[in-house]
Amino acid sequence: QVHLVESGGGLVKPGGSLRLSCSVAGFTFSDYYMAWIRQAPGKGLECISHISSGSSSIFYSDSVKGRFTISRDNAKNSLYLQINSLRAEDTAVYYCARDGGYGGDPMLDHWGQGTLVTVSS
Amino acid sequence: SYEVTQPPSVAVSPGQTASIPCSGENLGNNYVSWYQQKPGQSPVMVIYQDGKRPSGIPERFSGSSSGNTATLTISGTLAMDEADYYCQAWDGNSILVFGGGTKLTVL
Repeated sequence: QVHLVESGGGLVKPGGSLRLSCSVAGFTFSDYYMAWIRQAPGKGLECISHISSGSSSIFYSDSVKGRFTISRDNAKNSLYLQINSLRAEDTAVYYCARDGGYGGDPMLDHWGQGTLVTVSS
Repeated sequence: SYEVTQPPSVAVSPGQTASIPCSGENLGNNYVSWYQQKPGQSPVMVIYQDGKRPSGIPERFSGSSSGNTATLTISGTLAMDEADYYCQAWDGNSILVFGGGTKLTVL
C-alpha cells in the first residue's frame, strides 16, 4: 500500500535552516507529481510547493518563494524541502502528499503523517 | 493568486444533511477536491474532480460544482463525520490553493 513518511523536522532558531525529507513506498514515485503542505498550529492547510514528476515544473507559494526549495530523487523514491531563513511564522506541521492528478488538476490522494518544524529562539 | 472561500463553521443534527460551500472566481472551470481532517490526524481526500469518491469513502459523501461554487454534501451525517473540511482548487497557473476550512459540528 501507499506509504509516505516525512522526517527532518525539529526546533530551529530564527534565520536557521532545515532539510525535510519524504520517503515513499507502494507506488511508482517517478510517475507522480508531489506536494508539500503545511499547517500552522490551529490554522488551515497551505500548499507551499508542488513539483512535477520529472522536476520540470515547480510552484511555490508567495510566503516561501526564495527561501524554500523543493526537489526530488526518483531513484531514491524521495522528496525534499530545503527551508532557509526560517521565521517564527514558518512554525507548522509539514506534510508531503502525492498528487494523483497526473499533471492535470491536482488531487492529493495520499498524505504522510507530517513532521513538526518549530522556529523559536 | 487564486483564492477560494469557505464558511468557518457549519452545524448539523445527526441523520440530517450537511452542505459545505466553497466559492471562488470561475471555480466551475476547474476541478475541486475536498479533504477531511480530524484532530491530530493527517487530511484524507473524500472527494476529487468535483464529485468522485475515492475507494473507501462512504456513499454519504458527495460533491458538486457549478458557476462560482462547489459544494460538499454529507447525507445522513454521523457523529464520526465531525471534522474540519477543506476544499482545494487550482487555476493552472500557480500553486494549488485550499479554502480556509470549515469546522463541521454534529449537534
